[in-house]
Amino acid sequence: AQTIHQWPVAEIKAVGSPLSLGCTIKGKSSPNLYWYWQATGGTLQQLFYSITVGQVESVVQLNLSASRPKDDQFILSTEKLLLSHSGFYLCAWSLDFYEQYFGPGTRLTVL
Amino acid sequence: GEQVEQLPSILRVQEGSSASINCSYEDSASNYFPWYKQEPGENPKLIIDIRSNMERKQIQELIVLLDKKAKRFSLHITDTQPGDSAMYFCAASANLDNNAPRFGAGTKLSVKP
Repeated sequence: AQTIHQWPVAEIKAVGSPLSLGCTIKGKSSPNLYWYWQATGGTLQQLFYSITVGQVESVVQLNLSASRPKDDQFILSTEKLLLSHSGFYLCAWSLDFYEQYFGPGTRLTVL
Repeated sequence: GEQVEQLPSILRVQEGSSASINCSYEDSASNYFPWYKQEPGENPKLIIDIRSNMERKQIQELIVLLDKKAKRFSLHITDTQPGDSAMYFCAASANLDNNAPRFGAGTKLSVKP
């Protein structure tokens, strides 16, 4: 069975500090991978997607970047956090462009 | 881009009654309409979906209806239980390689015992 893991579970970071969030999926070969951001009480906004290793497409950047260094790994990062980066970051996967399944998420608080 | 409107934002129902959430979309190319349930502090979970070649789909107490002509789709939960209390999100997307599903703003459903 496929499993999707995100790390860390939660982060508290200072404005201006760097950030790296990770996502790993096991049990599926060559999945499509996605990063979403959700403000507290808000809707889901897709940030990036990747259909293959080394290729990432930006949907909404929000001063963030993403990379896919391995088939099963998706990384979200920034060199300088803003207050507006606070929220819930969700990684998702799909095998086609229909059903998407979300990981457990990382809660980020920027102070 | 695709905009998805979702109503109501808050829905309170009595246990055992039905709950309905309505969504509308703009892009006629949209062909896939999932519904997600998100409990506090948890990730969204796909509970039911419908593709554009269908008008109705049911999984147990969940019913989704799709009206392509009107660009509307809806989720109906029959015989609601307290465990159905959660945020519900609809989404619409086109099955393309630059797929970026648009999510509705969400509906907070509260089922009172």
